[in-house]
Amino acid sequence: SYELTQPPSVTVFPGQTASITCSGEKLGENFACWYQQKPGQSPVLVIYLDTRRPSGIPERFSGSISGNTATLTISGTQAMDEADYYCQAWDSRTAVFGGGTKVTVL
Amino acid sequence: QVQLQQSGPGLVKPSQTLSLTCAISGDSVSSYSAAWNWIRQSPSRGLEWLGRTYYRSKWYNDYAVSVKSRIIINSDTSMNQFSLQLNSVTPEDTAVYYCARDREIDAFDIWGQGTMITVSS
Repeated sequence: SYELTQPPSVTVFPGQTASITCSGEKLGENFACWYQQKPGQSPVLVIYLDTRRPSGIPERFSGSISGNTATLTISGTQAMDEADYYCQAWDSRTAVFGGGTKVTVL
Repeated sequence: QVQLQQSGPGLVKPSQTLSLTCAISGDSVSSYSAAWNWIRQSPSRGLEWLGRTYYRSKWYNDYAVSVKSRIIINSDTSMNQFSLQLNSVTPEDTAVYYCARDREIDAFDIWGQGTMITVSS
């Protein structure tokens, strides 16, 4: 079955840049998207179609794709960005999620 | 403003059927540009997509292989809602269940509030 692989954790200082990768053999063929989830809350879409940002999502969130790896970048990370982040893509009419990355802001 | 409101019991006995409903406001379950999904989340399985229903001149469903033999997703146009039935549940089906919309952007842009479902006798 299709898998998306993320690092379990990323640590960043306030104001610095956090980068979260998501690798999968069909990324690049199929679009990737990213969700932010804080404890006790539903996921929130922060990037879709590899690079697009929904209205209301701060500009410090950006997405990119290179080969089979999608990357979510948080520039000028703030304390409020501490959360779990999940990538997701479609394959053969099935949605697949990555295992999630916990971003800690020290 | 689109909102999804979930309802259903939080406790289900093993071997019985899990049933949840997702009421839609601000959009239509029979929209030609949306699909309506069920997703669950547990510590052991992470986020897991279960299936979807959508209308394109007729109704279509797609289901995850892992639950395909046990799942039914239906729509109710009169109530503007869709539902999840998962049969023959076991404790491994214990999770938070979410409904979510995909508006043809290959992503889930609107989520319900989540329902914690515990499978236990």
